[in-house]
Amino acid sequence: AQTIHQWPVAEIKAVGSPLSLGCTIKGKSSPNLYWYWQATGGTLQQLFYSITVGQVESVVQLNLSASRPKDDQFILSTEKLLLSHSGFYLCAWSPEVFFGKGTRLTVV
Amino acid sequence: GQQVQQSPASLVLQEGENAELQCNFSTSLNSMQWFYQRPGGSLVSLFYNPSGTKHSGRLTSTTVIKERRSSLHISSSQTTDSGTYLCALEGWNSNNRIFFGDGTQLVVKP
Repeated sequence: AQTIHQWPVAEIKAVGSPLSLGCTIKGKSSPNLYWYWQATGGTLQQLFYSITVGQVESVVQLNLSASRPKDDQFILSTEKLLLSHSGFYLCAWSPEVFFGKGTRLTVV
Repeated sequence: GQQVQQSPASLVLQEGENAELQCNFSTSLNSMQWFYQRPGGSLVSLFYNPSGTKHSGRLTSTTVIKERRSSLHISSSQTTDSGTYLCALEGWNSNNRIFFGDGTQLVVKP
């Protein structure tokens, strides 16, 4: 079965603290991987995409970074969280886009 | 400019009425998908429909490449259809960017 596992499901973090969100895929070989962010009540914004291991392209600058250490893993991180980082983070693959269940991040 | 435009932005129906959601795009199409976003935020793929017409239960998706549009038809709407519907486009030469419309917020009243 094809699955995307995102972790954690939800997180409450303090401003200035570090963050690491994870995404592990199963059942799809060498897909394109994406990170999306959605502010509460807002639209989906593509943050990063990766075509292959070790290669990540930034689409929107939000003081976040991403890495793809393995073919089936995509990591989103930052050293210092901002209040504006709050929202819903989704990992997805293509072709034929499929999303994980997302991580809800609240920065306080 | 925006690659994908969805309409209407919001729609209120009485249960049993039909809905027609539109997605117009300005770039050459590689793939088109329709998603339903649950109130909790997770996205469910409804159709992967680069061209032609597909049916699934009360839902029908039609993509007409020459006219650069895709539609999602919901027949006999139910209250459980309420939520946000999004179309997503992957264009040729898009450098792997997938463009989402801003969504249609559907409310179906009992």
